Formats: sequence, C-alpha cells, structure tokens
Amino acid sequence: LAKTTQPISMDSYEGQEVNITCSHNNIATNDYITWYQQFPSQGPRFIIQGYKTKVTNEVASLFIPADRKSSTLSLPRVSLSDTAVYYCLVGTNTGTASKLTFGTGTRLQVTL
Amino acid sequence: SAVISQKPSRDICQRGTSLTIQCQVDSQVTMMFWYRQQPGQSLTLIATANQGSEATYESGFVIDKFPISRPNLTFSTLTVSNMSPEDSSIYLCSVKGHVSRSETQYFGPGTRLLVL
Repeated sequence: LAKTTQPISMDSYEGQEVNITCSHNNIATNDYITWYQQFPSQGPRFIIQGYKTKVTNEVASLFIPADRKSSTLSLPRVSLSDTAVYYCLVGTNTGTASKLTFGTGTRLQVTL
Repeated sequence: SAVISQKPSRDICQRGTSLTIQCQVDSQVTMMFWYRQQPGQSLTLIATANQGSEATYESGFVIDKFPISRPNLTFSTLTVSNMSPEDSSIYLCSVKGHVSRSETQYFGPGTRLLVL
C-alpha cells in the first residue's frame, strides 16, 4: 500500500481557505486518493475521493496533478467547526487489497 | 452514506477479562474491518472480517487475542480477550461496499475501552 506524508499540523483563521497537501510518491495505478475528517471521540468521516484531476463536492475540493504523486485537499472558508484531524489515504477499491491504511494525519486548528 | 452502530459505545473493564464489541450496518456490505486507535494516535487496522471464513489479521494482531466473527453481511463482532491496560483504546468498525457508495469506506462511531 502506498505510504502518505502530510504536515502534522496547520493553523488557520476562520473564513480563510485551507489547503492541505499530501505526498504519495509510490501510488499505484489502481489506487484512489481519499480524505477523511475526524473529530475527537468520533469515527473518521469521509470527505472526498478522487483518482485524477479535480473533484469537488459540497464540502471540499481535491486537486490531483497528472503524475498523481501528491494531492491537495482544499477547504473553502473554514469555520471553527472544521477544527479536526484530516487524513489522506491511498488504496485500491477492488478485491482483498481493498483496505485503507492511515498515516499520521494533519491536525487543523481554526481560530477566530 | 452507511449507518453503522457499535455496542457498547464505551466500557470500563478489569484486566484479565474479555469484552465483545458488536458492529451493525443498516444494509449489506461486502467488506468489514476492525481498527484500533490508541489515545492521540492514528488508526491501525486489526483485521478484515470475512463472512463465512476466518478473519484476516494484520501483522501484530492474532486471533487468540482478537477473535472476530461475521455471521452475515451486516454484522460483525470483535472480542478483546484477556485484557490489559495496554488494550485501552478506541475500537472502530469500518465497512466498504455499501449500496450508497460502493467504493467508499465508512466508519462507525467507535467503542471507547478503558482497562484498569
């Protein structure tokens, strides 16, 4: 499974756009990139998933360059409630290898 | 998205005892997993629960310590056996292949375990 590297922590003010970049140099052809958000005492919550280029949903955008060796999660206009740990994961969607391995995650702190 | 419930939500146990954690999903899923998250740490995969056969354990986890059952496509149990304080952790059930979005892996709320 491809290993990921992301910043341990980030700080932001409320209302700003936050971009969290994740490196996954050994990503395989069949791997997807998935981001999760986790609040204290809760299970991780799915945010967004992509394979290449750009994916956008009501919560975030995911930018993936052509070489797919990195990805950037973009959170527009963060609020205090976006304070959480964000995990970047890569893994295949099919077969018995279809399981996610978590890295250290990025702890985002949003303040006024 | 998938609706996943876990029982109990939390427990305090004495060392040497065992606790069985239940995971129930609102509809059939193809894959179920069990993770552990120690305080302040990331998630670690314990095993993949296989329906109708023995679970597949990750390195460092064994069946005698963490027996797992999966009798059908919506339910699984994880037992933490002969507990010690080092087993104090959050245990999370996770599923994949849910009808809402088959390629996404969803997580339950977790079971917070404290071993004294």
